[in-house]
Amino acid sequence: QVQLQESGPGLVKPSGTLSLTCAVSGGSISSSNWWSWVRQPPGKGLEWMGEIYHSGSTNYNPSLKSRVTISVDKSKNQFSLRLSSVTAADTAVYYCARVDGGMDYWGQGTLVTVSS
Amino acid sequence: EIVMTQSPATLSVSPGERATLSCRASQIISSNLAWYQQKPGQAPRLLIYGASTRATGIPARFSGSGSGTDFTLTISSLQSEDFAVYYCQQYNNWWTFGQGTKVEIK
Repeated sequence: QVQLQESGPGLVKPSGTLSLTCAVSGGSISSSNWWSWVRQPPGKGLEWMGEIYHSGSTNYNPSLKSRVTISVDKSKNQFSLRLSSVTAADTAVYYCARVDGGMDYWGQGTLVTVSS
Repeated sequence: EIVMTQSPATLSVSPGERATLSCRASQIISSNLAWYQQKPGQAPRLLIYGASTRATGIPARFSGSGSGTDFTLTISSLQSEDFAVYYCQQYNNWWTFGQGTKVEIK
């Protein structure tokens, strides 16, 4: 059973950089799957942020592309998200997910608040 | 960007009744559509992909249909655990979600 676990700071200052990591267990990040980040502002809907393949190939949401970087660390079986120049609008629960005919495995999510 | 529009925003249904949720894409997406269920404080759960294929472990009361731009999720007989928010998602061109339909107890 694949499990994903997000980790990182729960509070980030405005104009700072949000950094999260998603640890994958029960499966290999080098499998033939893409790995995604999705976020959800409090009380709102879901927004796809981007995805990565174990080769390092990435795709990003065009609305976030200038601020988002996703990377992979195969040795640690994990992938990471960096979002720069954050504002209060980036306050959200951040999820990582595996892509396989849809997003079939998700982390439990981590709330990141942007505030001074 | 492909815009996904779900209707209705809220659906009030009695337990045991049938629920029909709609999702429309702003352009043709073939069958590249998934449905998710989300309960408060939980991550989304994949129900359907490829417009009509149930994900592993999903009960048969959940069914999906449609192709092109118009899609439907049907829950044949609502159980207490089915009251939740449902999202459609297209993956024909990157990934975009609908705004969600809340299924509440009538």
